Amino acid sequence: QQQVKQSPQSLIVQKGGISIINCAYENTAFDYFPWYQQFPGKGPALLIAIRPDVSEKKEGRFTISFNKSAKQFSLHIMDSQPGDSATYFCAASRSGGGADGLTFGKGTHLIIQP
Amino acid sequence: KAGVTQTPRYLIKTRGQQVTLSCSPISGHRSVSWYQQTPGQGLQFLFEYFSETQRNKGNFPGRFSGRQFSNSRSEMNVSTLELGDSALYLCASTRDEPYNSPLHFGNGTRLTVT
Repeated sequence: QQQVKQSPQSLIVQKGGISIINCAYENTAFDYFPWYQQFPGKGPALLIAIRPDVSEKKEGRFTISFNKSAKQFSLHIMDSQPGDSATYFCAASRSGGGADGLTFGKGTHLIIQP
Repeated sequence: KAGVTQTPRYLIKTRGQQVTLSCSPISGHRSVSWYQQTPGQGLQFLFEYFSETQRNKGNFPGRFSGRQFSNSRSEMNVSTLELGDSALYLCASTRDEPYNSPLHFGNGTRLTVT
């Protein structure tokens, strides 16, 4: 049972455009939603995270939008740059993912064309 | 501050053998988690240790086991290797303060079972 569904699987965006990746979750006990970025040969690195008491969080060019009633959240990358080309994973957990572990989406392979 | 260190980076084993992977967490981090990453299943939680105690375990067979030492370093062991165990094994550490300490991942150990 896939508890976090991520789409699209792959995405090509022109430099300067907006990249949008969507995720939906099933478990209403989840209360922590991070996004991770992974480059080839590296482990995932935390980009930004949100809790359900806010509907949006912005850090630089990265924004998470959260819709609690729809059980959906999304990552927007503004002014996308070739250096943003990577695989992005959404995740969900209870209490931040230490003891409970993170449940990850299947990932989105993002390519930013120059 | 040094990041999460995993050794070795690459391993090739034969079906039926066993393997031990090692992880050194970030200094001061007492929680260590292990994840399996494959193209088909994505990132899946294996187990988590805190103060030498396993607090949580994912849905993996008993062939997968781990332990944590008093210095927070951790090892995971896979016995009776199967071809399907070929994957990138990622270790992550955290201070384990709920919502305030994200998981920091190492670059993984790439295990190939032939």
